[in-house]
Amino acid sequence: DVKVTQSSRYLVKRTGEKVFLECVQDMDHENMFWYRQDPGLGLRLIYFSYDVKMKEKGDIPEGYSVSREKKERFSLILESASTNQTSMYLCASSTPRDSQETQYFGPGTRLLVL
Amino acid sequence: QQPVQSPQAVILREGEDAVINCSSSKALYSVHWYRQKHGEAPVFLMILLKGGEQKGHDKISASFNEKKQQSSLYLTASQLSYSGTYFCGTESHNAGNMLTFGGGTRLMVKP
Repeated sequence: DVKVTQSSRYLVKRTGEKVFLECVQDMDHENMFWYRQDPGLGLRLIYFSYDVKMKEKGDIPEGYSVSREKKERFSLILESASTNQTSMYLCASSTPRDSQETQYFGPGTRLLVL
Repeated sequence: QQPVQSPQAVILREGEDAVINCSSSKALYSVHWYRQKHGEAPVFLMILLKGGEQKGHDKISASFNEKKQQSSLYLTASQLSYSGTYFCGTESHNAGNMLTFGGGTRLMVKP
């Protein structure tokens, strides 16, 4: 059974704090993604990675960075959290298109920045 | 640019049918449909790869009109378990499995 796990389901942080969100997948997938989900806006891509140490900006990368030191782990970093980063954060992973597979999502981390 | 989903919300009684539409301003390679129940991760429903392709399982099916850059999700004889938020994710040519998601359609099925 495929599995994408995220380190926390709920997180409360203060403005200016550095925040780490961790995502681990056990499917040996090459691609990993970080999204944020806000009501009415759906899922918006922050960053993605197609290999270890490789990263690409998504649609809304400002205020975020990522790290992929190992294939199974993809971290999202908020260098200095702000209240407008309060959101649900979803991680996903996938294999390349050849296998015509789609993205598998983790359960999400609901982040509140005070 | 995000694809546009319509309607944004729909309430059904058990047994009724619904159609959810997804329109893109870009030429599409594929359309992916997901359902997300409250507090849970989005779950993959199906992928449509070719213009005109139609797919389905159980009483949920979808079509993909490549020329119109649209996809529709059809829910027939809805069940309570169909409640949730439905998202379409569109993939443009040469996007490398990168999906752009619509804003979601919230579906509620009542007994």
